[in-house]
Amino acid sequence: QVNLLQSGAALVKPGASVKLSCKASGYTFTDYYIHWVKQSHGKSLEWIGHVNPNSGYTHYNEKFKTKATLTVDKSTNTAHLELSRLTSEDSATYYCTRSPILGGCPFDYWGQGVMVTVSS
Amino acid sequence: DVVLTQTPPTLSATIGQSVSISCRSSQSLLHSNGNTYLHWLLQRPGHSPHLLIYLVSRLESGVPNRFSGSGSGTDFTLKISGVEAEDLGVYYCVQGTHAPLTFGSGTKLEIK
Repeated sequence: QVNLLQSGAALVKPGASVKLSCKASGYTFTDYYIHWVKQSHGKSLEWIGHVNPNSGYTHYNEKFKTKATLTVDKSTNTAHLELSRLTSEDSATYYCTRSPILGGCPFDYWGQGVMVTVSS
Repeated sequence: DVVLTQTPPTLSATIGQSVSISCRSSQSLLHSNGNTYLHWLLQRPGHSPHLLIYLVSRLESGVPNRFSGSGSGTDFTLKISGVEAEDLGVYYCVQGTHAPLTFGSGTKLEIK
């Protein structure tokens, strides 16, 4: 069965970086883009970007281009989101989800989400 | 960026009532390849979002057929024909026709 398992919650200091992970199982990792989505408390959803696990190619939302770095490790079927120079505005829940590279049903599986709290 | 405007922001329904949620886009979501990349998600309290409808009207596997989607161009609707208690939560439309991918502001469904 398909599963996207995200790393645990993080408490980080302002100015620091954090690297979140999303481990995929139950399907061919390289057949699906991995997307990352931000949800600030009580707010709607924002798309950060996606990564093609096959090529490593990334596509970012311009808003997050200097904040987020997306990578993949094909050897462990894991996608990563690194957030840099953290501020209180980055405190949020971050989700990973997938969509098929060759088209079809998108966002059919989501990770459980990880809460990042930026506080001194 | 494409703005998706959802109405109403909040909806209160009794069990068995039929309801509709509107999602209006600031640009046409018809892609040059002929597809319309407009999808609907439900986020139950304390949970991750999950997919209900994709490509305007295609029902995701396992989703009850009381959910249906319709629309074209800039105007889209999600209908629930006979609300059940498990349907409470926040409904989001999301578009993938134009980069960046964007989400609506959400419609919160409450059960009376």
